[in-house]
Amino acid sequence: QQQVKQSPQSLIVQKGGISIINCAYENTAFDYFPWYQQFPGKGPALLIAIRPDVSEKKEGRFTISFNKSAKQFSLHIMDSQPGDSATYFCAASNYGQNFVFGPGTRLSVLP
Amino acid sequence: KAGVTQTPRYLIKTRGQQVTLSCSPISGHRSVSWYQQTPGQGLQFLFEYFSETQRNKGNFPGRFSGRQFSNSRSEMNVSTLELGDSALYLCASSLAVKKGDTQYFGPGTRLTVL
Repeated sequence: QQQVKQSPQSLIVQKGGISIINCAYENTAFDYFPWYQQFPGKGPALLIAIRPDVSEKKEGRFTISFNKSAKQFSLHIMDSQPGDSATYFCAASNYGQNFVFGPGTRLSVLP
Repeated sequence: KAGVTQTPRYLIKTRGQQVTLSCSPISGHRSVSWYQQTPGQGLQFLFEYFSETQRNKGNFPGRFSGRQFSNSRSEMNVSTLELGDSALYLCASSLAVKKGDTQYFGPGTRLTVL
């Protein structure tokens, strides 16, 4: 019940395209859903996050869509750029604790 | 605010040795969590300390231990190193007191066990 599933494992997108990464969770006690971006040799960096009382959150080219009834959330990267090539992790937490991470998606954006 | 810092950034040890890694959280953060990251296993949660007490623990053997000091700085110790302990060890700090509090990661310590 603590698991967060993430797909796809890897994703190749052309420059300018839309990248979509999906996550699903089981534990309805989760109340916070962040996405992290990690470049090789670096620690994960917070990209964008959403709480379950909101169905969508947009920050620049990055959008989280959240479906509470389906217990799913997704990251959309619009106008994908080569600089977006990184590994993306979704996560879920409960009251600022017990962060559970998805296995990660390696995104490659082709120039 | 300064971010999460970890020292050392790189370590090379041999099997059987022990190692201590250090993490300084963001000022004001009382929660420090440790993760092991390997290519095949993703981010694996080790443990979390909050106000000098271990609050949560993952499924790692007792060779992995940690502690937190009164200034919230944390150390992680691995004894009797094995080849499989080679990984990037990440710490993350958080306020961790209310909904929406997020974790901020340090750059990690790359441990290589020969």
